[in-house]
Amino acid sequence: EVQLVESGGGLVQPGRSLKLSCAASGFTFSNYGMHWIRQAPTKGLEWVASISPSGGSTYYRDSVKGRFTISRDNAKSTLYLQMDSLRSEDTATYYCATGLRVYLGFDYWGQGVMVTVSS
Amino acid sequence: EIVLTQSPTTTAASPGEKVTITCLASSSVSNMYWYQQKSGASPKLLIYSTSSLASGVPDRFSGSGSGTSYSLTINTMEAEDAATYYCQQWSSNPLTFGSGTKLEIK
Repeated sequence: EVQLVESGGGLVQPGRSLKLSCAASGFTFSNYGMHWIRQAPTKGLEWVASISPSGGSTYYRDSVKGRFTISRDNAKSTLYLQMDSLRSEDTATYYCATGLRVYLGFDYWGQGVMVTVSS
Repeated sequence: EIVLTQSPTTTAASPGEKVTITCLASSSVSNMYWYQQKSGASPKLLIYSTSSLASGVPDRFSGSGSGTSYSLTINTMEAEDAATYYCQQWSSNPLTFGSGTKLEIK
């Protein structure tokens, strides 16, 4: 059974850092691109960042470039999102997601982890 | 960035009624993806590559469209279909989602 389990969320002050993790199981993690997608409270879905299967290529939305870093450890089947210089507008539920049987879409999502940026 | 505009924003349907949600893209896209999100839950893929039904999705759901206009149809509304629906494209970077359509049961 495919599982994506996020962790590391919480309450953090503006300007501080937080690192999210997404533990994957049930598939060959190193074969698939992985993604972070977020959802602010009562708002819609917003793509944040993506990483290639090897980790050699990364992509970010403009509003997080230079502040967030996506990475992966294929030996541990774990995806990460290092979030620095956090802003109130980064407050959201963060989902990791992947497309195992779907190209350019996401057929597996984690349960999400809440990040609240507030003083 | 390709902007996806969904309509309606909110709608309600009676059991058995047909529902259509539209997603208009600001530029032409090759394919559209549709997700269902129930309150407090993660999004669930319904339709991929415009018209292919994801695994386990009831066949009352269907997708169609091309270019800049796409739609999701629920052939006969059921109470369990009450949710928010999102379209998504990745024909062009960055990947974008529509703003969502909230579907309620009458």
